[in-house]
Amino acid sequence: DAKTTQPPSMDCAEGRAANLPCNHSTISGNEYVYWYRQIHSQGPQYIIHGLKNNETNEMASLIITEDRKSSTLILPHATLRDTAVYYCIVSPRGTLNQGGKLIFGQGTELSVKP
Amino acid sequence: DAGVIQSPRHEVTEMGQEVTLRCKPISGHDYLFWYRQTMMRGLELLIYFNNNVPIDDSGMPEDRFSAKMPNASFSTLKIQPSEPRDSAVYFCASRRLTGELFFGEGSRLTVL
Repeated sequence: DAKTTQPPSMDCAEGRAANLPCNHSTISGNEYVYWYRQIHSQGPQYIIHGLKNNETNEMASLIITEDRKSSTLILPHATLRDTAVYYCIVSPRGTLNQGGKLIFGQGTELSVKP
Repeated sequence: DAGVIQSPRHEVTEMGQEVTLRCKPISGHDYLFWYRQTMMRGLELLIYFNNNVPIDDSGMPEDRFSAKMPNASFSTLKIQPSEPRDSAVYFCASRRLTGELFFGEGSRLTVL
């Protein structure tokens, strides 16, 4: 079973920041937070991941609370092309013993509107 | 790199027929995963391989499903016999030991 809780859907105005929350209150010390998104009819796409520090890349920013029980994915200037289902997943970073398999929950369906 | 390549992209078959889905992972990736996606159940992990060896097949729904990875550049997911409830999009994904997961575009299966 997925170890994360996300709102089923959210709306965001084009050009505004989209803030997608995720609760992972049972996260273990060795588990990372991963974010993927799935645009309609395509395979899921990696966005970003983090352990305990905030992370930023060309796609998004990831803010993880100090107790690591929740996180927020931020798309700073959402566009219509960001309309997708966003998945928050916790999993150990891949090692031979841990496997690092990703179990997807239901995600948040983000609709970016003009 | 061409990414993860899956074939066929679309398959329509009749109940009872054998279905074979194919996947070519990204070169150099150690892990290969098969997922299935339906509206009802979302994205489910079926099986994954490490260095061509099946590691966890607990998600394979029943004996009608089988997966093989004869070499590092090829894997198959076979359904025999197929049933209408097997209709879904099947995704293959691959990654390095500590790298991120890259997905193919999926194979949409319809069993009539």
